Amino acid sequence: SQQGEEDPQALSIQEGENATMNCSYKTSINNLQWYRQNSGRGLVHLILIRSNEREKHSGRLRVTLDTSKKSSSLLITASRAADTASYFCATVQGAQKLVFGQGTRLTINP
Amino acid sequence: KAGVTQTPRYLIKTRGQQVTLSCSPISGHRSVSWYQQTPGQGLQFLFEYFSETQRNKGNFPGRFSGRQFSNSRSEMNVSTLELGDSALYLCASSLEVTGEEKLFFGSGTQLSVL
Repeated sequence: SQQGEEDPQALSIQEGENATMNCSYKTSINNLQWYRQNSGRGLVHLILIRSNEREKHSGRLRVTLDTSKKSSSLLITASRAADTASYFCATVQGAQKLVFGQGTRLTINP
Repeated sequence: KAGVTQTPRYLIKTRGQQVTLSCSPISGHRSVSWYQQTPGQGLQFLFEYFSETQRNKGNFPGRFSGRQFSNSRSEMNVSTLELGDSALYLCASSLEVTGEEKLFFGSGTQLSVL
């Protein structure tokens, strides 16, 4: 079963626009991670936010976490063609097992 | 520092055969996890090894097995292949399992079962 569920499943925007993806999860967490995956390749870690943090920034990435709503959002500002990828949220479930959502497929149009 | 290396990159097998996939983690990383990725099911956790011991296992049949060697390299084996086993198999390593360690993924092995 998937712990995290991303929304939307697919997103297509113009280069330069901002992209926002959401993630909902079911159980309490200590932290939530976001990963990016280029087509047919492995995942790359983007950012980790702890349960006692509400917002975190890394370059053009901004992540928020609302533990009361069990949700997180990933904002990519000033998008570039190279940001085209699938984005996954992940949380630890059970004994140190990282579980991924279904992902959001982001397409940046030049 | 070399990244996570998975071999082979592509593999074509027929139903009933068995297959072994290999993963070399980043030097110093003792935890290796395996995931299966398919368009329909997404990323599914297979198992995780730490210091040659399987610490966690996902909900996969016994046909899926793995092991880890003393140098932290890991292999996974799938016996009696089925068409539904066609997937991208990803290996990831981390320094140790603390709940906050980020995973470093290899590029995966694309397995096609005909």
